[in-house]
Amino acid sequence: GAVVSQHPSRVICKSGTSVKIECRSLDFQATTMFWYRQFPKQSLMLMATSNEGSKATYEQGVEKDKFLINHASLTLSTLTVTSAHPEDSSFYICSARGGSGTGGENTEAFFGQGTRLTVV
Amino acid sequence: GQNIDQPTEMTATEGAIVQINCTYQTSGFNGLFWYQQHAGEAPTFLSYNVLDGLEEKGRFSSFLSRSKGYSYLLLKELQMKDSASYLCAVMDSNYQLIWGAGTKLIIKP
Repeated sequence: GAVVSQHPSRVICKSGTSVKIECRSLDFQATTMFWYRQFPKQSLMLMATSNEGSKATYEQGVEKDKFLINHASLTLSTLTVTSAHPEDSSFYICSARGGSGTGGENTEAFFGQGTRLTVV
Repeated sequence: GQNIDQPTEMTATEGAIVQINCTYQTSGFNGLFWYQQHAGEAPTFLSYNVLDGLEEKGRFSSFLSRSKGYSYLLLKELQMKDSASYLCAVMDSNYQLIWGAGTKLIIKP
């Protein structure tokens, strides 16, 4: 299957700083990328959906000014957690889906490895 | 609203068979996915069903009944490494994935 690389896998930052997480599709063009947050023992919570070249669509309750998403190319999307606070500590996962010619829409979402963010 | 239901936790014995059920109510249907997720890791794809029936892939099989809004994941010859959470997800009419809360499977020797 297709490969999605997410970096970093773990990050510890001080409260008030910003952290950028990268999500790259290595062997296909990801027209749509999804960013999830997962709390311990809970399922994935969709934060936002981003389409290449356009603004991300945020789910209700997700602060777009705090969680900045950029999807500037077909292989890269970034999530920046701005002015991080301890309550932002979580597991963040990206997934990518290709457009026509890459398997179409009715296919699995390919996941990155996830990023464990700890804000101290 | 959209809803995916699956048991919170199940326990099974090594070498046995376990069936994890998933029922759903969604706005449209474009397929049902099963993912495996080990603690601290991202989910990994197990199966995709879009037509009714049973799909077999090695020790894992997945069944779908669209009329009943029901699926199950069947795991045979259980191994200790199968201890994980199993997530059921449905792709709705907008091609968005709706996720269940996951079933934590505990395998005992």
